[in-house]
Amino acid sequence: EAGVVQSPRYKIIEKKQPVAFWCNPISGHNTLYWYRQNLGQGPELLIRYENEEAVDDSQLPKDRFSAERLKGVDSTLKIQPAELGDSAVYLCASSVNRVSENIQYFGAGTRLSVL
Amino acid sequence: GQSLEQPSEVTAVEGAIVQINCTYQTSGFYGLSWYQQHDGGAPTFLSYNALDGLEETGRFSSFLSRSDSYGYLLLQELQMKDSASYFCAVRDRGATNKLIFGTGTLLAVQP
Repeated sequence: EAGVVQSPRYKIIEKKQPVAFWCNPISGHNTLYWYRQNLGQGPELLIRYENEEAVDDSQLPKDRFSAERLKGVDSTLKIQPAELGDSAVYLCASSVNRVSENIQYFGAGTRLSVL
Repeated sequence: GQSLEQPSEVTAVEGAIVQINCTYQTSGFYGLSWYQQHDGGAPTFLSYNALDGLEETGRFSSFLSRSDSYGYLLLQELQMKDSASYFCAVRDRGATNKLIFGTGTLLAVQP
């Protein structure tokens, strides 16, 4: 069974440029999460989807961040424009559903460097 | 709100036993999870304690005491490949039900 797939693995951009991350969750997993992980810290939730519906986006900086999960499968996270402080690893995770939310399967992440 | 504290670093030798503690302040949660993350890799689920007590999975065990607001991960027969960061996490019982991660413990296993 394939795990959570994210691309790209690395991205280097200049500030004020746009950037997008893509995530393909485990087949059959209804719940999808985007996290941001700063160096030396634990992951912090940005947004959570139940199928195609965003059920928790309270931590998403909506002035510059957006996300979508069309058809309830793949998801994209976009930043426009990027700022220096956005440099971090962006992790995507999925779980079967919200009941099993304690057990999440993570992708390897996208390491973003904003110069 | 929730906050989870862990030691920042732990060092041990191969074959030894190491305990990584997690103390938390929370208004309510569903259980305590542990994740392992190798440098540059994905966090990987290790264990989950829904109730107080000890859960054992091979060389790894996890313990939870709600009355003491405390849990730990116990790693036995340490191997070099166990060198990684370990995160405890709780699922918030509040409106968001989100998983909140601790600050992480970097384990270095030495030969």
